[in-house]
Amino acid sequence: GQQLNQSPQSMFIQEGEDVSMNCTSSSIFNTWLWYKQDPGEGPVLLIALYKAGELTSNGRLTAQFGITRKDSFLNISASIPSDVGIYFCAGQRNYGQNFVFGPGTRLSVLP
Amino acid sequence: DADVTQTPRNRITKTGKRIMLECSQTKGHDRMYWYRQDPGLGLRLIYYSFDVKDINKGEISDGYSVSRQAQAKFSLSLESAIPNQTALYFCATSDSSGLTYNEQFFGPGTRLTVL
Repeated sequence: GQQLNQSPQSMFIQEGEDVSMNCTSSSIFNTWLWYKQDPGEGPVLLIALYKAGELTSNGRLTAQFGITRKDSFLNISASIPSDVGIYFCAGQRNYGQNFVFGPGTRLSVLP
Repeated sequence: DADVTQTPRNRITKTGKRIMLECSQTKGHDRMYWYRQDPGLGLRLIYYSFDVKDINKGEISDGYSVSRQAQAKFSLSLESAIPNQTALYFCATSDSSGLTYNEQFFGPGTRLTVL
């Protein structure tokens, strides 16, 4: 099946630092979604991207749809303790198809 | 109250037992999904339903069955549980109409352990 890779698998950062993570695929996607999962909860949608090159922000979070359509990036600025969790990307190849999820990036924020 | 609820939240069972996981939603969405989450593997789709009585296999449907008897309810069954079905199970919903058709809303999850 389709595979999505996320990098890094996990990261430890100091509070206040900026964070960058990415999601890559060998296939072209026409939609990218970024989710966050808090411990003991289900994933919650952060940002949706629908167009190559698109850059979308949600507060301190910014995500970009890669121009090759095979990758996407998520940045978090000025991290805070509540940013802790697992960040998942999800890609959809064509409209109406189901999404494929990446394995996640686990973020830990040190005070 | 939560829009997507799952019961039970935790379940421990033995190999060979039949297990049913329930999902209910108050969002009025037509589409519902069951995912399985394993460490390092992300979310994998088990089954999905676009409407009442509509059932479609996902990536890993073997060993599972589902029922969609009402728009608000989607149940997942393990007819004869085995240890490698130990995982975190999530139900999700989405609305096929409107601007947020791609957004899936997830329940809180059910942690299943098969001994």
